Amino acid sequence: DTAVSQTPKYLVTQMGNDKSIKCEQNLGHDTMYWYKQDSKKFLKIMFSYNNKELIINETVPNRFSPKSPDKAHLNLHINSLELGDSAVYFCASSQIAHTEAFFGQGTRLTVV
Amino acid sequence: AQSVTQPDIHITVSEGASLELRCNYSYGATPYLFWYVQSPGQGLQLLLKYFSGDTLVQGIKGFEAEFKRSQSSFNLRKPSVHWSDAAEYFCAVGARHSGYSTLTFGKGTMLLVSP
Repeated sequence: DTAVSQTPKYLVTQMGNDKSIKCEQNLGHDTMYWYKQDSKKFLKIMFSYNNKELIINETVPNRFSPKSPDKAHLNLHINSLELGDSAVYFCASSQIAHTEAFFGQGTRLTVV
Repeated sequence: AQSVTQPDIHITVSEGASLELRCNYSYGATPYLFWYVQSPGQGLQLLLKYFSGDTLVQGIKGFEAEFKRSQSSFNLRKPSVHWSDAAEYFCAVGARHSGYSTLTFGKGTMLLVSP
């Protein structure tokens, strides 16, 4: 049973397109996150949702819009994709009382 | 704001030799510390964590780490490295805020294992 699952695993698209990445967790956690890993493997938090409410937005361009329909799902929609958006995007979840996060397998986004 | 430094970008270790990966953190309060491992094309897997108590923590796959408050360090160790340990290792510090928590990662150390 996959704890945190993301789809798709790979995404190749052209500049200017709009794309979405989906994430689901079956751990019963309250909090979900999106992290971005750049080409140098540096991981940085983008967003965090707790019980469907946005609690962290780390100066991410407003072309990125997370949506949480329920506390088990956190999707990431990206408008007008740019070359610099190419990266690996990781979804994660945790219980609010702990900072230990469980990560998905990542989505490698390539913008051409 | 918290930060994590992993001073070694790459480390090469012979199979069977011991390993130590360095991690230094900066955080104003009692830190929550983690080591994650990322194999090529994979997500991050938690190796071990330190919240409080015994400063020597044991993790999965034979790894351990020692929290040293005086040195602001949380170095990862393994007595005998296996070829399958070749991966990217990330140290992270967790910060708890009112109602949420965040992880700040170091830039990672790539472990290469030579035969």
